[in-house]
Amino acid sequence: GENVEQHPSTLSVQEGDSAVIKCTYSDSASNYFPWYKQELGKRPQLIIDIRSNVGEKKDQRIAVTLNKTAKHFSLHITETQPEDSAVYFCAATPMYSGGGADGLTFGKGTHLIIQP
Amino acid sequence: EAQVTQNPRYLITVTGKKLTVTCSQNMNHEYMSWYRQDPGLGLRQIYYSMNVEVTDKGDVPEGYKVSRKEKRNFPLILESPSPNQTSLYFCASSSLSGANEQYFGPGTRLTVT
Repeated sequence: GENVEQHPSTLSVQEGDSAVIKCTYSDSASNYFPWYKQELGKRPQLIIDIRSNVGEKKDQRIAVTLNKTAKHFSLHITETQPEDSAVYFCAATPMYSGGGADGLTFGKGTHLIIQP
Repeated sequence: EAQVTQNPRYLITVTGKKLTVTCSQNMNHEYMSWYRQDPGLGLRQIYYSMNVEVTDKGDVPEGYKVSRKEKRNFPLILESPSPNQTSLYFCASSSLSGANEQYFGPGTRLTVT
């Protein structure tokens, strides 16, 4: 099955600086890579996702890059704000678009702390 | 309003007493899944279902059962709960075509003493 590694486990940045979280995956059949944000005491919510047919996707201050050859993908947050403080999870799966029957495998999460 | 609901939200029980956590979605999603979340371990998949009457084991299925008799419901059953099943549980659902965002329920915090 799929194995997803996520680094770092904790990331502290100054407000206004950029934050980068990195993930690697093991299953070359994986073709869908979402990122979820989980605020304290709340449910995970999708913030951005990317499919294996593109290398980069951007949505305002958030971007995700994918390197299929190296099997890694990254989340980039620019101009960080206090409300960006949360736990972020990456995930990978081959199941959409008929890529396989495995479910969504998550990384262990990154606790992002925005220092004022 | 599109949503995933879970009940109960909080549950304290004793070892060996069978319990069921319900999950329901109103988005006509084919795919539904159960996760448990533990500190330092992230979200781990327990069971998932690609459609009615189709279920499969995730990464940590031991001690759990599920059923998918209707498209909207995906209950999680603990036949004989043990303290190591104390955790935060999330149900999620998604469409298998088009947009594939997984929508999560609000979570169920289970404590087994």
